[in-house]
Amino acid sequence: RKEVEQDPGPFNVPEGATVAFNCTYSNSASQSFFWYRQDCRKEPKLLMSVYSSGNEDGRFTAQLNRASQYISLLIRDSKLSDSATYLCVVTPGGTSYGKLTFGQGTILTVHP
Amino acid sequence: DAGITQSPRYKITETGRQVTLMCHQTWSHSYMFWYRQDLGHGLRLIYYSAAADITDKGEVPDGYVVSRSKTENFPLTLESATRSQTSVYFCASSTSGQMGYTFGSGTRLTVV
Repeated sequence: RKEVEQDPGPFNVPEGATVAFNCTYSNSASQSFFWYRQDCRKEPKLLMSVYSSGNEDGRFTAQLNRASQYISLLIRDSKLSDSATYLCVVTPGGTSYGKLTFGQGTILTVHP
Repeated sequence: DAGITQSPRYKITETGRQVTLMCHQTWSHSYMFWYRQDLGHGLRLIYYSAAADITDKGEVPDGYVVSRSKTENFPLTLESATRSQTSVYFCASSTSGQMGYTFGSGTRLTVV
């Protein structure tokens, strides 16, 4: 089983739609959780951290469910510029001092 | 300019050659990482470093060597390049192992 699993998509949605991505992780000792965004042929960039209480940044909402080992990202009112690959990222616990483990990514295409 | 820079951006080399990819960051971040990104595998950790003179293997270290004599530099060397090492290589740095990373722009390496 992969440490971090995501639905690869692709998700094709019209502008203005709401879209949700899910991610599961296998290591129950994982400590930190993030969503990264990667544009085509570019480096990944931190989109937002994910907290147990849930957090929101504008049109983006991230949720963490530790009991189910599940992370989600909700994008409301999708824009063309949201088209990218979204990476679910987890830091293992223990002595791994912050190595990030990446999911394979979910591809989102927003069309007019 | 402040930030994390990788060089070269593109490199073509022949099988069996030694090649070094450079990574330089100006933030004095303690943690630095090398990832490779391939279709079907996502981002995989090659090596990482928690501080100068401290390095450790990641998920796919075979065929690679790293050093970190100075905090700001973390070069990655392919001792004898193979076609399977054709990939996009990303360097990243972080203040803390538990925080999100900042990535360099990547090096696209082709081994022929």
